[in-house]
Amino acid sequence: DVKVTQSSRYLVKRTGEKVFLECVQDMDHENMFWYRQDPGLGLRLIYFSYDVKMKEKGDIPEGYSVSREKKERFSLILESASTNQTSMYLCASSLDGMNTEAFFGQGTRLTVV
Amino acid sequence: QKEVEQDPGPLSVPEGAIVSLNCTYSNSAFQYFMWYRQYSRKGPELLMYTYSSGNKEDGRFTAQVDKSSKYISLFIRDSQPSDSATYLCAMSLYNFNKFYFGSGTKLNVKP
Repeated sequence: DVKVTQSSRYLVKRTGEKVFLECVQDMDHENMFWYRQDPGLGLRLIYFSYDVKMKEKGDIPEGYSVSREKKERFSLILESASTNQTSMYLCASSLDGMNTEAFFGQGTRLTVV
Repeated sequence: QKEVEQDPGPLSVPEGAIVSLNCTYSNSAFQYFMWYRQYSRKGPELLMYTYSSGNKEDGRFTAQVDKSSKYISLFIRDSQPSDSATYLCAMSLYNFNKFYFGSGTKLNVKP
């Protein structure tokens, strides 16, 4: 069965902390994505990666960075967490550039206090 | 202007009703159109996808694309309480390296 696993369901962090959100997929997918989901705004793309060590900015990359050292793992880093980064974070993966389906993880609800 | 617009609802219907969910978009280059279903506290999962204009049917679900009007729809026949979820439309260009999502419509089907 297809699986995208995010390391935490719920996280509470303090303002200014460096935060790591981890995502692992077991499907040998080329593409991986990080989205944040906020009420009324839907899913907004933060970063995506189409290969190991390759990354591209999405629509809202400010305040975030990513790392993809291995094909199966894509990490989202909040360099200095702020309260406006309180959100639901969703990781997704897709097979390659010819495949429509993105598989999502269960999400990490991050609260920055 | 957002690239994809979707009425957030919520939409509340009785069991057995026909449900119509809609999205409009502004980028005429979109070629692939998808509907995702998201249950509470879960990630979205793909429900249906269509390529270009036309209809696609899968059981009680029909996806419709009208590229001339930049308008897509998802119809649910004989709606069930288990259909209660948030429905997100999504679109992509030719290469699927980026998906553009609507904000989601929350549907509640009452028994």
